[in-house]
Amino acid sequence: GQSLEQPSEVTAVEGAIVQINCTYQTSGFYGLSWYQQHDGGAPTFLSYNALDGLEETGRFSSFLSRSDSYGYLLLQELQMKDSASYFCAVPGMDSSYKLIFGSGTRLLVRP
Amino acid sequence: DADVTQTPRNRITKTGKRIMLECSQTKGHDRMYWYRQDPGLGLQLIYYSFDVKDINKGEISDGYSVSRQAQAKFSLSLESAIPNQTALYFCATSAGTVYNEQFFGPGTRLTVL
Repeated sequence: GQSLEQPSEVTAVEGAIVQINCTYQTSGFYGLSWYQQHDGGAPTFLSYNALDGLEETGRFSSFLSRSDSYGYLLLQELQMKDSASYFCAVPGMDSSYKLIFGSGTRLLVRP
Repeated sequence: DADVTQTPRNRITKTGKRIMLECSQTKGHDRMYWYRQDPGLGLQLIYYSFDVKDINKGEISDGYSVSRQAQAKFSLSLESAIPNQTALYFCATSAGTVYNEQFFGPGTRLTVL
């Protein structure tokens, strides 16, 4: 089967850097995605990694190591508005156009 | 205007009732999805559809059915609602690009008493 593991909660201080890890078990790997969800809101796409290495988009970066079945989301210069849940996701084994989501990491940014 | 809309946004119903949740999109995407979200469990895929004639079960389809009335409309039904179907339900669409970025609707909060 497929599974993803993320820490359930992370706390950090405004202005700091935080890393949210994700380990996955799957076959036929097509890429690792990250989504952000604020309380009461809908998930929104943040990033996608198909190849090993770091992808940077503004304050957010995402890293993938396919050999280690591991990735992380790096948030820099944390702001209060970054308080949200973050989900990693991989494509389904039977269809690359469906996603299997991790259970999410709740990030709390403190002043 | 929102690209992916869901109706109703909130619904309270009783055990045994039939409920339909509706999803419409103006993004022109062929792929549509229904997810359920419970606290601490992330998003679980209920059903997905790649076009009007292609509907597939997800990981937790028992107790649910769907209808793809048109490219832009995808409805989720609970034939006989039960309390453990109380959850937040999201519809999503995607264009089928390599990124497979999914665009989510605002969600429907369903409570089954």
